Amino acid sequence: KAGVTQTPRYLIKTRGQQVTLSCSPISGHRSVSWYQQTPGQGLQFLFEYFSETQRNKGNFPGRFSGRQFSNSRSEMNVSTLELGDSALYLCASSRADSTEAFFGQGTRLTVV
Amino acid sequence: KQEVTQIPAALSVPEGENLVLNCSFTDSAIYNLQWFRQDPGKGLTSLLLIQSSQREQTSGRLNASLDKSSGRSTLYIAASQPGDSATYLCAVSLIKAAGNKLTFGGGTRVLVKP
Repeated sequence: KAGVTQTPRYLIKTRGQQVTLSCSPISGHRSVSWYQQTPGQGLQFLFEYFSETQRNKGNFPGRFSGRQFSNSRSEMNVSTLELGDSALYLCASSRADSTEAFFGQGTRLTVV
Repeated sequence: KQEVTQIPAALSVPEGENLVLNCSFTDSAIYNLQWFRQDPGKGLTSLLLIQSSQREQTSGRLNASLDKSSGRSTLYIAASQPGDSATYLCAVSLIKAAGNKLTFGGGTRVLVKP
């Protein structure tokens, strides 16, 4: 059974650009959550999507957005990148009847 | 606001010694608690999930306990091995109706010396 797949694994972007990250959940999982991990702030919740609807949102600026498709795949977009957006972005999926989270390998974003 | 704390931030033990990792949380109204392992630069691997109604959960050399009333969970790893070197994170989720939002501790970085 395939795990959570995140693409790309690594990205280097310039300040002011925008970026889109992708997450394919485990087959049958309908919930996808996104987290940002930095050395200073640790793991912080960005948002969660369930059945194509945003169900939860963390305390991040509007530059961070996401969406979920009918096949449960999710994308996260960050516009007008700042140096502080450099981080490991992790996606997790869960079954509809569970909160147990399974994480992908992450996308390492570096903003220069 | 739920806050999760893991102390110590780092731990070094000789191979074969038992590991005891601590996690505390401020709001006892949790739905469940998960322990994860993270290797450098990698994603999180789920180790154990304890439902709020459970007192402990076991998997192989791992045992996790939960005391909701005191806001604490402990992860025990028996007979540690160098391959157990990693960062261990605990995370709590609130009521299921609130969806899947995990609040993480800062992690404990473990080094098992051969």
